[in-house]
Amino acid sequence: AQSVTQLDSHVSVSEGTPVLLRCNYSSSYSPSLFWYVQHPNKGLQLLLKYTSAATLVKGINGFEAEFKKSETSFHLTKPSAHMSDAAEYFCVVSGRGSQGNLIFGKGTKLSVKP
Amino acid sequence: EAGVAQSPRYKIIEKRQSVAFWCNPISGHATLYWYQQILGQGPKLLIQFQNNGVVDDSQLPKDRFSAERLKGVDSTLKIQPAKLEDSAVYLCASSLVLNQPQHFGDGTRLSIL
Repeated sequence: AQSVTQLDSHVSVSEGTPVLLRCNYSSSYSPSLFWYVQHPNKGLQLLLKYTSAATLVKGINGFEAEFKKSETSFHLTKPSAHMSDAAEYFCVVSGRGSQGNLIFGKGTKLSVKP
Repeated sequence: EAGVAQSPRYKIIEKRQSVAFWCNPISGHATLYWYQQILGQGPKLLIQFQNNGVVDDSQLPKDRFSAERLKGVDSTLKIQPAKLEDSAVYLCASSLVLNQPQHFGDGTRLSIL
C-alpha cells in the first residue's frame, strides 16, 4: 500500500527566508509524487510532480522538490518565502496500477511572517 | 481555459436531510473525481469516473452516497440521509485521461447541523 507522511503540521517562516516542507513516502514500486497547494476556501493547485525522470523537480512560483529514493523523501523547498505563499501544502503519491488515484498526506500549513 | 466548476459553494443542512452537489469538469476531460476533505485532513477519493463509467468507488459509503455522470460530462454527488460526520468540503477534479494531472474545483463546503 502507498502512503505519505508529512512530518510537520505547521511551519512558520519569515518573509525572505527559505522554506522547507518535509514529506516521506511509502510505496512498493516506483511512485509518482506530487505537491499541491491549497489557499483558503480554494481548490488544490498542482505545484510540481515527479514521475521518475530528473530527481530534482522544479515547479511553479519558485518551488522545487528533490526525490531521494534512499531516504524515501520528497521534501519541498523555496529559497525565499513570499507572503502569498501562506497556504496549506499537500504531499501526494500515485502508484502504478492506481489508475491515477491520488493519496494525500494530512497537509502542512505554511505561515509567512512579515 | 475555464476551470472545474462546482456548485453550490456552501450548504448547510440538518442531519437526515438530503443534499446534492454539482460539478462541471474542464471541457474534454474524460476522467472525473469526487473527493471528501474533512477539516484538518487531506482529500480522500470517493469515486472516479472515466467518461460515464465508474472506475473506482471503493471508498464511497454506498448506503448513503451516490454519484452519477450520465452523459460523460457533468456529475452530481448526492448524500441521503446526511450524518454529522459528513461535514466536509467536497472537491471535484478532472483530468484529460487517467494518470494525467488533476485540476480541482473550489469545492462545496457542507455543514451538518
